Amino acid sequence: DQQVKQNSPSLSVQEGRISILNCDYTNSMFDYFLWYKKYPAEGPTFLISISSIKDKNEDGRFTVFLNKSAKHLSLHIVPSQPGDSAVYFCAESRGSARQLTFGSGTQLTVLP
Amino acid sequence: DVKVTQSSRYLVKRTGEKVFLECVQDMDHENMFWYRQDPGLGLRLIYFSYDVKMKEKGDIPEGYSVSREKKERFSLILESASTNQTSMYLCASSSVQGYEQYFGPGTRLTVT
Repeated sequence: DQQVKQNSPSLSVQEGRISILNCDYTNSMFDYFLWYKKYPAEGPTFLISISSIKDKNEDGRFTVFLNKSAKHLSLHIVPSQPGDSAVYFCAESRGSARQLTFGSGTQLTVLP
Repeated sequence: DVKVTQSSRYLVKRTGEKVFLECVQDMDHENMFWYRQDPGLGLRLIYFSYDVKMKEKGDIPEGYSVSREKKERFSLILESASTNQTSMYLCASSSVQGYEQYFGPGTRLTVT
């Protein structure tokens, strides 16, 4: 059973509009959630994280919201740009080495 | 800048061959990880290491082994490659102080 779920395989958004990527989780005992962005033929790159004790974290155009009661987090990108087109993964940090459990990813396409 | 390098970008091997995938990081990180990425499944953790000569199984260790003889180098070994091990393999590293993992560019392995 998947512990971290991204139920939308793809999302298309117009340039300048808001992109909202969603992630659900089952394990209540975690330290951090992280979002990674991945371009084809490259490794994932870290985007933003959120601690289990917070409900929001913001970094420039990127904001992550955490709703612990619903076991749900979301990544907001405002405004969306064509260069944001990539696969986005949410990941739960757990364990002694802070190993990551990833969702299946969402392909974001930002249309010019 | 953290750099994680992987020995090959593309690799083609035959069923039954022993395969070595090498990963090197230059940031003196204690933790190193091997993931595989498959469509619709995200990244899944194969093995990780939190110190030289120390290793732990991840979520899908079957058919794989690892070696960490030096702090900067972490090797993934496919003892007898099979077609279901055709995948993108990603190496990552992290420090004990942080949650962020830094990824290499990946090795696309095809087993025929």
